[in-house]
Amino acid sequence: DSGVTQTPKHLITATGQRVTLRCSPRSGDLSVYWYQQSLDQGLQFLIQYYNGEERAKGNILERFSAQQFPDLHSELNLSSLELGDSALYFCASSPRNSGGYTFGSGTRLTVV
Amino acid sequence: GESVGLHLPTLSVQEGDNSIINCAYSNSASDYFIWYKQESGKGPQFIIDIRSNMDKRQGQRVTVLLNKTVKHLSLQIAATQPGDSAVYFCAENIPTSNYKLTFGKGTLLTVNP
Repeated sequence: DSGVTQTPKHLITATGQRVTLRCSPRSGDLSVYWYQQSLDQGLQFLIQYYNGEERAKGNILERFSAQQFPDLHSELNLSSLELGDSALYFCASSPRNSGGYTFGSGTRLTVV
Repeated sequence: GESVGLHLPTLSVQEGDNSIINCAYSNSASDYFIWYKQESGKGPQFIIDIRSNMDKRQGQRVTVLLNKTVKHLSLQIAATQPGDSAVYFCAENIPTSNYKLTFGKGTLLTVNP
C-alpha cells in the first residue's frame, strides 16, 4: 500500500456520461497530480494541485476538471465521455510542490 | 490485467543476469530524474532517483547512471529476479514546468526463469 488511495478501482460507463474519480493523498502530502495512462500515449500529465490551488496544467481536455478540497483529497471529473477516454487514471502525491511522487493504484475507466 | 506494454521496447533476460534499461531524456535543463517500476494492474512504484549534480547513485540491487552530455539515463538491476518483470519508466523533472514529471514511454522487462 503506497498510502495514496484511489476510488473506484474500476469504472464502466457509457458514452456521454460523467464520472468522478477520487484520490486521497499520503498523509502530510500537499501536492496531488493526476495522470492518464493509455496504451498508445503512456503516462500523460493532466493537472496538479498544491494545498488546494491549481499549480500546473497539462494536456487536459476542457471536458475534464479537477479540484483539491481543504482536507487535501482531490477529485477528477470527466464529462461527456468518449470511447477514447478509456484509460487508467492515476493520482500521485508529494510532500511539496516538487517531483518524486508516490502513485496510487489507479482507476481503470472503460467507456462503452 | 491489461498490459501497458504492448508497444514498448522490450528486454528479456535470464534470471540471475544483470539488466540494463536505457532512457534518453528530453530536456537539458532537467535537474532531477526518477526510475519507476510498474507491474501489471498496479501504479508506478518509485525505485531510485538521482539529481543532476550526480553521475551515479546506488540502491539495493539497482544503480542509476546519468550522462548529461548525451542526455542519457540508465538503470542497472543486478541479479535480476522474476519479480523484477515489469515496465520501467524514467521520468525527468523540468524546473520550468512547475515540477511536473515528464515520463518516458517505458521498457518492458521480462525475466525468464
